[in-house]
Amino acid sequence: SQQGEEDPQALSIQEGENATMNCSYKTSINNLQWYRQNSGRGLVHLILIRSNEREKHSGRLRVTLDTSKKSSSLLITASRAADTASYFCATDAKGGSTLGRLYFGRGTQLTVWP
Amino acid sequence: GAVVSQHPSWVICKSGTSVKIECRSLDFQATTMFWYRQFPKQSLMLMATSNEGSKATYEQGVEKDKFLINHASLTLSTLTVTSAHPEDSSFYICSALSTGPYEQYFGPGTRLTVT
Repeated sequence: SQQGEEDPQALSIQEGENATMNCSYKTSINNLQWYRQNSGRGLVHLILIRSNEREKHSGRLRVTLDTSKKSSSLLITASRAADTASYFCATDAKGGSTLGRLYFGRGTQLTVWP
Repeated sequence: GAVVSQHPSWVICKSGTSVKIECRSLDFQATTMFWYRQFPKQSLMLMATSNEGSKATYEQGVEKDKFLINHASLTLSTLTVTSAHPEDSSFYICSALSTGPYEQYFGPGTRLTVT
């Protein structure tokens, strides 16, 4: 079964506001990644955070990781209508038998209104 | 960055026919590729892990005789949906794992519609 669970499942905000999405997982990980997917399209890799990191920034994105709570958050600041998409977290499994295997969460559908 | 392509990007087929989807790593070699299926408004579900030169490893509940995977070279894996039915209609996404460093790159997906 999937490791990651995101909340909220759907988020609707106005342009300029910040959007926060959360992800929880079940087992120990080496790293956690966030992806974006526009409707009907492939995945776009946003950011990877390793298990020994607590926070990472990339442009308007800020990711945090709390391994004690097995959770991560993705913050998009000053959102734009173009940020409208589904966002997924994905984890590997520390000690997993298949290198590269990822477990995806259910995703958060973000809608940013102009 | 590394690029993974999928062909076709979309396909419509009749029930009972077979459809082959290709996944290619364009500028790197991949000993491992993954095949995912995604239903509308849902997450990606791993179907199988494709290993070059050996048999694919299927996830529980995925019929290996229905979803045939062939990873014949370090840059190509194919997924064949045999005797397709409408319930097989979905978005199929592959990813390829590069070596040194290990990074995973996703293809753009293939939309399969079975009528």
